[in-house]
Amino acid sequence: ETGVTQSPTHLIKTRGQQVTLRCSSQSGHNTVSWYQQALGQGPQFIFQYYREEENGRGNFPPRFSGLQFPNYSSELNVNALELDDSALYLCASSLAPALNTEAFFGQGTRLTVV
Amino acid sequence: AQSVSQHNHHVILSEAASLELGCNYSYGGTVNLFWYVQYPGQHLQLLLKYFSGDPLVKGIKGFEAEFIKSKFSFNLRKPSVQWSDTAEYFCAVNAGYGGSQGNLIFGKGTKLSVKP
Repeated sequence: ETGVTQSPTHLIKTRGQQVTLRCSSQSGHNTVSWYQQALGQGPQFIFQYYREEENGRGNFPPRFSGLQFPNYSSELNVNALELDDSALYLCASSLAPALNTEAFFGQGTRLTVV
Repeated sequence: AQSVSQHNHHVILSEAASLELGCNYSYGGTVNLFWYVQYPGQHLQLLLKYFSGDPLVKGIKGFEAEFIKSKFSFNLRKPSVQWSDTAEYFCAVNAGYGGSQGNLIFGKGTKLSVKP
């Protein structure tokens, strides 16, 4: 167990809908990163939050947005869902946004868009 | 653009065979390198990491990896695999992609199946 928890574990949504995924970071960690893992692929960086501010973003459109709360938990929101958004969404927390830091992953949320 | 390449998509070995999984990255600056493992139905777990110093790093469960800077490689090895090593293995690099530090670029993964 890493101490990083994500909810829900599975979700089915219809194309065009909106979805919110949640992540509780490990105790003492102030940095949360979100990744998308499509079937047969490695995780792809979406964005990172550090002390409630977005701190870097990968190659994802603006309909992917996030929040980080004072307790460092985080949400990932996706608007106008597309079929290609079907994937495992992973949350990772770390002590700080540094190069030499270890990220601890949650079990992920499996999103299916139909 | 920064990228990570894993050479093998699926590797099948018998128990006690030796393992080497290839990983190459494309980035000329300072990098930090990781191998993660994902057992069926479980979360990604860190096997080992390289930040600096001795390029031969040892991780959990008997795994080790060697950083060869001139080859931009970070191959994972284990002298004798067990059935319980059946999992997917991901190589990752942290090089400040996307305007922030502390995020990772992953390879596509290598699925390892160990036959008892």
